[in-house]
Amino acid sequence: GQQLNQSPQSMFIQEGEDVSMNCTSSSIFNTWLWYKQDPGEGPVLLIALYKAGELTSNGRLTAQFGITRKDSFLNISASIPSDVGIYFCAGQLDSNFNKFYFGSGTKLNVKP
Amino acid sequence: NAGVTQTPKFRILKIGQSMTLQCTQDMNHNYMYWYRQDPGMGLKLIYYSVGAGITDKGEVPNGYNVSRSTTEDFPLRLELAAPSQTSVYFCASSPPPDRNYGYTFGSGTRLTVV
Repeated sequence: GQQLNQSPQSMFIQEGEDVSMNCTSSSIFNTWLWYKQDPGEGPVLLIALYKAGELTSNGRLTAQFGITRKDSFLNISASIPSDVGIYFCAGQLDSNFNKFYFGSGTKLNVKP
Repeated sequence: NAGVTQTPKFRILKIGQSMTLQCTQDMNHNYMYWYRQDPGMGLKLIYYSVGAGITDKGEVPNGYNVSRSTTEDFPLRLELAAPSQTSVYFCASSPPPDRNYGYTFGSGTRLTVV
């Protein structure tokens, strides 16, 4: 299967700090998605990216579709305690088929 | 709005037992998926379906079976449970690729095989 390398694996930050995480692949993807998973719940879609170079925001979250189409980035500004969770990237190889490969996740801990 | 509903939420199985994980969605989505999530790992695709009567293998299908007799339901069957199948299982659904690509996930079934 496809390998998506997500980093960092985990982060411990102070409330109010900004956060950056990224996802890289050896394959070119047509779509990148970013999900957040709260403990005991399924992942919830945060941001979807459809074009190389695209920059999209959702509140304090901003994600970018890398120019090479092999990577994507997620930034969270002014973190708050409810940002705690696991963030997953997911990439789609074939735009004709709705099948995504997931990264292993970045676990975010925010200290109040 | 129920979205994607999975049952049961938790289950403990003995080695060699069988069970069916249920998944139903009320969004009239064509596509449905089963993923497993091992501790500290990402999601691995087990099986998927692009519509009623059509299923196909994902990355890790061994030890599982699926069926899709209706648009709403996509059960996952474990025939002979093994400790390696201890995991959290997520069902998801989505519309076709020409619309919003995002999956809607259920809240998961935590399965332990002892």
